[in-house]
Amino acid sequence: AQSVTQLGSHVSVSEGALVLLRCNYSSSVPPYLFWYVQYPNQGLQLLLKYTSAATLVKGINGFEAEFKKSETSFHLTKPSAHMSDAAEYFCAVSARAGGTSYGKLTFGQGTILTVHP
Amino acid sequence: DGGITQSPKYLFRKEGQNVTLSCEQNLNHDAMYWYRQDPGQGLRLIYYSQIVNDFQKGDIAEGYSVSREKKESFPLTVTSAQKNPTAFYLCASSMGTGGVDTQYFGPGTRLTVL
Repeated sequence: AQSVTQLGSHVSVSEGALVLLRCNYSSSVPPYLFWYVQYPNQGLQLLLKYTSAATLVKGINGFEAEFKKSETSFHLTKPSAHMSDAAEYFCAVSARAGGTSYGKLTFGQGTILTVHP
Repeated sequence: DGGITQSPKYLFRKEGQNVTLSCEQNLNHDAMYWYRQDPGQGLRLIYYSQIVNDFQKGDIAEGYSVSREKKESFPLTVTSAQKNPTAFYLCASSMGTGGVDTQYFGPGTRLTVL
């Protein structure tokens, strides 16, 4: 079975500071990995996804994430936080063909990012 | 504009009543999904459908029902059997159900049971 753990339900940074949101996964086969963002009372928007083309994935709004197989991690980073980045962020995993969870998207519990002026 | 619409945005229900949440997509996607979101628990899959007239239970299907009579529509009924229905409900769609397919989300419906 696949699972996702997001370390830290709340992260607070100052405007202009580095953003680091942590995600670790567990999967029986090498997975696909996703980061989504959700603003209050809205749906989820895809930030980026890892499909094995490259371990460093660049997404929208200046975010990027690095897939590290040895650490089973897919942490999300942004060099300089902006007030508009305040939102909830979800990491998700989907199994490749052949896994028991093939095609199913499993979400982490979410991390709320607060940005202080 | 292509996208997913959900209605209503807010819904109030009395205990013991069934209620149906609407989800429509014009992305020509084959697969559609329903998730439930509770604070601090992420998203949990209720039902999904890979093709018209076919659907499968997700992780928390008890107390819910769905239909998929048209490719663009996937309504969710919250029945009186659902013991704790107050939550934020999200509909999504994807081109297929291969693991690499991105799921696109609607704006959600917030259901409150009075």
